[in-house]
Amino acid sequence: QKEVEQNSGPLSVPEGAIASLNCTYSDRVSQSFFWYRQYSGKSPELIMSIYSNGDKEDGRFTAQLNKASQYVSLLIRDSQPSDSATYLCAVKFGNQGGKLIFGQGTELSVKP
Amino acid sequence: DAMVIQNPRYQVTQFGKPVTLSCSQTLNHNVMYWYQQKSSQAPKLLFHYYDKDFNNEADTPDNFQSRRPNTSFCFLDIRSPGLGDAAMYLCATSLRTGNYEQYFGPGTRLTVT
Repeated sequence: QKEVEQNSGPLSVPEGAIASLNCTYSDRVSQSFFWYRQYSGKSPELIMSIYSNGDKEDGRFTAQLNKASQYVSLLIRDSQPSDSATYLCAVKFGNQGGKLIFGQGTELSVKP
Repeated sequence: DAMVIQNPRYQVTQFGKPVTLSCSQTLNHNVMYWYQQKSSQAPKLLFHYYDKDFNNEADTPDNFQSRRPNTSFCFLDIRSPGLGDAAMYLCATSLRTGNYEQYFGPGTRLTVT
């Protein structure tokens, strides 16, 4: 059984701080990794994707992937109250076609 | 703008009364997915289509059916909704090649009375 695990939180950070969200996965044959943001009552929104080891930056967001450690993270710099949401980690495993396995999500709260 | 559209956004149905949810997309993606998401839980994949090829998840109840009449549209039919089927139903699409980035529609919130 493939698994993707996240700390459920809530993770609370002050405005302007760096929020660090972590995700581990159970299978080495994983190809693609995604971070989705989900506001309460809304659908998931794709904010980052990463496919190779290392860092990928997009504005205030940085995704980090370490396949050897089976670990992917999302850093949010200069956190804003509007970043308060649940962040879902999703992994596409190598032999599963387009199927994504989602973690339970980490609730982030950014306090003004 | 290219997008994934779901209708209706909110649906109230009675226990046991069949209901159909719809999804359409202008992204020209050949893979379409249906997820069920309950409060504070991860999205749960019900089934997906690679073009016309239907793929059902092993634990999807028989009460849930799907149709994809063409590339743009996909329907989720719940034949006899129970109280436990109240949830957000999410449609997503992706290309069949590359990294399969999935894009979600706004969802349909289903209430069963």
